[in-house]
Amino acid sequence: GAGVSQSPSNKVTEKGKDVELRCDPISGHTALYWYRQSLGQGLEFLIYFQGNSAPDKSGLPSDRFSAERTGGSVSTLTIQRTQQEDSAVYLCASSLEGFSYEQYFGPGTRLTVT
Amino acid sequence: GENVEQHPSTLSVQEGDSAVIKCTYSDSASNYFPWYKQELGKGPQLIIDIRSNVGEKKDQRIAVTLNKTAKHFSLHITETQPEDSAVYFCAARPSGTYKYIFGTGTRLKVLA
Repeated sequence: GAGVSQSPSNKVTEKGKDVELRCDPISGHTALYWYRQSLGQGLEFLIYFQGNSAPDKSGLPSDRFSAERTGGSVSTLTIQRTQQEDSAVYLCASSLEGFSYEQYFGPGTRLTVT
Repeated sequence: GENVEQHPSTLSVQEGDSAVIKCTYSDSASNYFPWYKQELGKGPQLIIDIRSNVGEKKDQRIAVTLNKTAKHFSLHITETQPEDSAVYFCAARPSGTYKYIFGTGTRLKVLA
């Protein structure tokens, strides 16, 4: 079946511009995570959605970062006024439920801020 | 805060040899420890996991061991093959939470 998809796969933007990154989770998965993976680093938790509950935004590094999940499915991560330190691979993962099931990762979006 | 240390950061082995990657976690409430393999241009993929009520788990050429007292766990790959070359991440998840704490990754190269 279809896995987690993310778009775009690569994004190059100028410093100060806004960007939107999209994640399509596996159908029926109620939990969705966003992570940031910087070069040579592990995965940094950004935000977590579970069903209709309020999202856990505790990992967002600044108020320039926000995320939405519409209809319990597709999610968009928005970064406003991008900075060079935002350059990283942004990964999305989904699972059947929050902490009982395996996470399935998408291929990621590589963001480069020039 | 909680953290997971992973060593080594890079590892080169000859094809057919074994590879061992080690992780240490800080949060004693952690009870689930997955290992992920990430190939170039792809997202991480779960390859094996272990829960805190088990000391060892094996799946073909891959095994994971857990020492709760010392708070460390290890990934063992035997009879390595070139297709095992990738970046491997360990992670720990505290009981009752959905947050995973990831290690910084190990780049494994299997030399033919």
